[in-house]
Amino acid sequence: SQTIHQWPATLVQPVGSPLSLECTVEGTSNPNLYWYRQAAGRGLQLLFYSVGIGQISSEVPQNLSASRPQDRQFILSSKKLLLSDSGFYLCAWTHDPNYGYTFGSGTRLTVV
Amino acid sequence: AQSVAQPEDQVNVAEGNPLTVKCTYSVSGNPYLFWYVQYPNRGLQFLLKYITGDNLVKGSYGFEAEFNKSQTSFHLKKPSALVSDSALYFCAVSYRSSGSARQLTFGSGTQLTVLP
Repeated sequence: SQTIHQWPATLVQPVGSPLSLECTVEGTSNPNLYWYRQAAGRGLQLLFYSVGIGQISSEVPQNLSASRPQDRQFILSSKKLLLSDSGFYLCAWTHDPNYGYTFGSGTRLTVV
Repeated sequence: AQSVAQPEDQVNVAEGNPLTVKCTYSVSGNPYLFWYVQYPNRGLQFLLKYITGDNLVKGSYGFEAEFNKSQTSFHLKKPSALVSDSALYFCAVSYRSSGSARQLTFGSGTQLTVLP
């Protein structure tokens, strides 16, 4: 069966420090991958999505970047964190959005 | 442009009473509609989906949703609410963005609180 893993679960980082969040999917190949941010337990903001290795689409210009170095690995990064980068980050995958997404368990990022 | 709206930020209901969480959509063509639930500090969990067929869709944990094409709605329902149903609920619709990838767009979420 397919599983999706996100780590770390929680992270506290100082302003100006770098960030790397990792998401991996197991038990499948060539998934569509997505990064979302959720502020204050409310709506979801799509940050990046990828339909293949090295293919990244950015939905919102900001202090973050994404990479897909391997088929089932999706990384969210920042060179210098801002206070406004705090939030709950969710990774998701699917083969066909018409059948929905499967979400990871999320990473709670607090920038101090 | 495709969109989905959840008009209520908060829904409160007494335990044992029926609950409804509202969702309306706007898409070109036939919609693919979904409901997800999120518990605190957790990822979203799939509840149910409508693709085609019977307008009443049954899902996990006793939830169901009714697709109404004329009203462009997909309300989530449960006949008897439980305290454990308290969570954040998201409606979503599948659409094709300006690029080649199809993706889901989510509503803003509705916080359901079931009072004991």
